[in-house]
Amino acid sequence: AQSVTQLDSQVPVFEEAPVELRCNYSSSVSVYLFWYVQYPNQGLQLLLKYLSGSTLVKGINGFEAEFNKSQTSFHLRKPSVHISDTAEYFCAVKRGSSNTGKLIFGQGTTLQVKP
Amino acid sequence: GAGVSQSPSNKVTEKGKDVELRCDPISGHTALYWYRQSLGQGLEFLIYFQGNSAPDKSGLPSDRFSAERTGGSVSTLTIQRTQQEDSAVYLCASSLASVENTGELFFGEGSRLTVL
Repeated sequence: AQSVTQLDSQVPVFEEAPVELRCNYSSSVSVYLFWYVQYPNQGLQLLLKYLSGSTLVKGINGFEAEFNKSQTSFHLRKPSVHISDTAEYFCAVKRGSSNTGKLIFGQGTTLQVKP
Repeated sequence: GAGVSQSPSNKVTEKGKDVELRCDPISGHTALYWYRQSLGQGLEFLIYFQGNSAPDKSGLPSDRFSAERTGGSVSTLTIQRTQQEDSAVYLCASSLASVENTGELFFGEGSRLTVL
């Protein structure tokens, strides 16, 4: 079975500072990895995904994530955050060979950007 | 509308009552998922539909929970004899057919259930 651990429940950061949201996964098989974002009072939307190929993936709004197989990590980064990035971020995993779209999500990390 | 639609957006009920939550997926999306979002618990998978069938209902927490999907479209999640621990936001998502799916789920805004 797959599982996801997001190491920080809350990350406060000042505007224009860099940020890293940490995600570790556990799986005995190949996986696909995802970051979703949930803005206040909105549904979740896909930020970026890793399926295969280059381990550095870029997403919307200037976010990027790096897949590290040896560390079983998929940390999300942004070099300079904006107030509008304040949201909850979820890391998720899908078994690569699965014929369903079922995702296993982490507990979420609240990013709070301060002026 | 173009997105996943859920109703009601908010539901307050008394302990022991039954509730029904509705999800209208994106047109053409054959796969539909229910998740539960509780404070500090992240998103908990409940059930997955492919068409009208539910090949994975492993996340339903008890036999008080059931779901159905008709016409390959609208789905209803029913919670019988609600308990206070059922209070959460229930999220519905849809996606393209599973064999084509690479993980992008499209979520509704959720139904917030409060059990008094």
